Amino acid sequence: GAGVSQSPSNKVTEKGKDVELRCDPISGHTALYWYRQSLGQGLEFLIYFQGNSAPDKSGLPSDRFSAERTGGSVSTLTIQRTQQEDSAVYLCASSLSLSTGSYEQYFGPGTRLTVT
Amino acid sequence: GDSVTQMEGPVTLSEEAFLTINCTYTATGYPSLFWYVQYPGEGLQLLLKATKADDKGSNKGFEATYRKETTSFHLEKGSVQVSDSAVYFCALSGGGADGLTFGKGTHLIIQP
Repeated sequence: GAGVSQSPSNKVTEKGKDVELRCDPISGHTALYWYRQSLGQGLEFLIYFQGNSAPDKSGLPSDRFSAERTGGSVSTLTIQRTQQEDSAVYLCASSLSLSTGSYEQYFGPGTRLTVT
Repeated sequence: GDSVTQMEGPVTLSEEAFLTINCTYTATGYPSLFWYVQYPGEGLQLLLKATKADDKGSNKGFEATYRKETTSFHLEKGSVQVSDSAVYFCALSGGGADGLTFGKGTHLIIQP
């Protein structure tokens, strides 16, 4: 079946512009995660959704970052007023509900964001 | 908080050599443990997993055993191939909503 998809695959934007990254999880996966992968920081967990709800947003790097999920499926990660330090690969993953006891996550190909 | 420590490399081996990539973890409770692999230009793929002490995860000739007494989950393969060249990440899940905690990744280079 189809895996996790993300769009765009690459995004180059000017400092100060807003960007929106999209994630489409595996069908039937109610849990969704966003991560950031950068050379200096490795893989950082940003936010988790169970259904449309994100119980803890403290992993988001700053208040310029926001995320939402609608219909229990597609999620968007929005970065406002982008800065050069936001340049990274943004990864989305999905899994079955945590209540199933299955914690393996399946990752999308990522969106490479470059802020110039 | 939870943490994962792994050798960063690069690790360079000849084809058919024996591979070990060390991974140790710190976590409260009983985490699930994973190895993910990232081939050049590709996304993260789940390689194998173990959910409780003494479990052995295996896939594509790779193995790792969940050792609670040493808090380790070392990745091994008996005979590596050039196609195994990739970055390998050890990770744990505490079972909550905090996502996976990853090690910094080990870059493996296999020479023919």
